[in-house]
Amino acid sequence: EAQVTQNPRYLITVTGKKLTVTCSQNMNHEYMSWYRQDPGLGLRQIYYSMNVEVTDKGDVPEGYKVSRKEKRNFPLILESPSPNQTSLYFCASSFTGNQPQHFGDGTRLSIL
Amino acid sequence: GNSVTQMEGPVTLSEEAFLTINCTYTATGYPSLFWYVQYPGEGLQLLLKATKADDKGSNKGFEATYRKETTSFHLEKGSVQVSDSAVYFCALSGPSGGYNKLIFGAGTRLAVHP
Repeated sequence: EAQVTQNPRYLITVTGKKLTVTCSQNMNHEYMSWYRQDPGLGLRQIYYSMNVEVTDKGDVPEGYKVSRKEKRNFPLILESPSPNQTSLYFCASSFTGNQPQHFGDGTRLSIL
Repeated sequence: GNSVTQMEGPVTLSEEAFLTINCTYTATGYPSLFWYVQYPGEGLQLLLKATKADDKGSNKGFEATYRKETTSFHLEKGSVQVSDSAVYFCALSGPSGGYNKLIFGAGTRLAVHP
């Protein structure tokens, strides 16, 4: 089954404790992206990757890092999480950036 | 820059009612337009898309027409069901904002009751 898998689905943690949200896709997509969803703001892009070892900033990259060492994986790293990063996060993938994107089921992060 | 504006929700309808969710966009050139749907506890799923002016996207009884003259992409369905209850997002991609991301509206929550 074609899918984008995120882990964990839920996480409650404290300010400053490094965390990683994993994202994996099994569709051999070259393009992957991270979004955060906040009430009244829709989804906003954090980072994206056009291919292995190629990443670039989206609209709200501050406080986040990503890496793309393999085509299937695109982890999101919060080196020092803060409460304003409490949000619902989605990973997405597609063959190219302008194709419809497949989304994971989301990761709800709460930073206390 | 590019942007998408959707009607605010929630939209509450009775089963079999007609649905319209308004979406307008700001962009230079000809972006691609999408409607995504998010069911409770799930990620977004592509509902329909249109890539050029006057294109009509359709899926599962939903339709939307790409109107360049009014910069709109309104979502319609003739007869909604309880199972259509979800959050609907209008989105665009490119050209001036780049094809490397989707720009989303704020989302419109639809609640359909029996």
